[in-house]
Amino acid sequence: AQSVAQPEDQVNVAEGNPLTVKCTYSVSGNPYLFWYVQYPNRGLQFLLKYITGDNLVKGSYGFEAEFNKSQTSFHLKKPSALVSDSALYFCAVRDGGSNYQLIWGAGTKLIIKP
Amino acid sequence: NAGVTQTPKFQVLKTGQSMTLQCAQDMNHNSMYWYRQDPGMGLRLIYYSASEGTTDKGEVPNGYNVSRLNKREFSLRLESAAPSQTSVYFCASILPGGLTDTQYFGPGTRLTVL
Repeated sequence: AQSVAQPEDQVNVAEGNPLTVKCTYSVSGNPYLFWYVQYPNRGLQFLLKYITGDNLVKGSYGFEAEFNKSQTSFHLKKPSALVSDSALYFCAVRDGGSNYQLIWGAGTKLIIKP
Repeated sequence: NAGVTQTPKFQVLKTGQSMTLQCAQDMNHNSMYWYRQDPGMGLRLIYYSASEGTTDKGEVPNGYNVSRLNKREFSLRLESAAPSQTSVYFCASILPGGLTDTQYFGPGTRLTVL
């Protein structure tokens, strides 16, 4: 069965430090992997995705994510955190099938402290 | 483009009342989705519509019905609301296919059932 795990409910980082939000997945075929961000009282916004190709994917707002097939991970990273990055981050996966349903992680709250 | 719009933004119901949540997208997307978001549980798919004229159950369909009125509109109906349906509801749409494989979300409807 497909699944996504975000092992940390909350991540605290000081402004200017690098940040990592973890995601691991399980799918039966080739994974399509996504990161979305949700700011308070807003809908989800797309950040980046991995479909195929380069394992390092660059996305919006300076975020990037590294696909690691052997570890079945897709961790979200940013070299230097901003206070405005504070939000709820969701990892999602779907297999290569045609129904386009995503399986979502529970979300990680990222808090950047000045 | 307005993107994905949802009405209402907020709603309070009494147990047993009915209501319809409206969703519309102006991006000519084929597929549309209804999710609910509960704390610590990420997004759970209620129903989806792969294309105009088709609807399918997601992970948590009980207590809900949907209508894909046309390509633009996808409504979610609660026939007899229950306190367990207190949640934030998100509508999303997608134009399936390759690198455009990204879901676009509406701003959400915050529903409280007393």
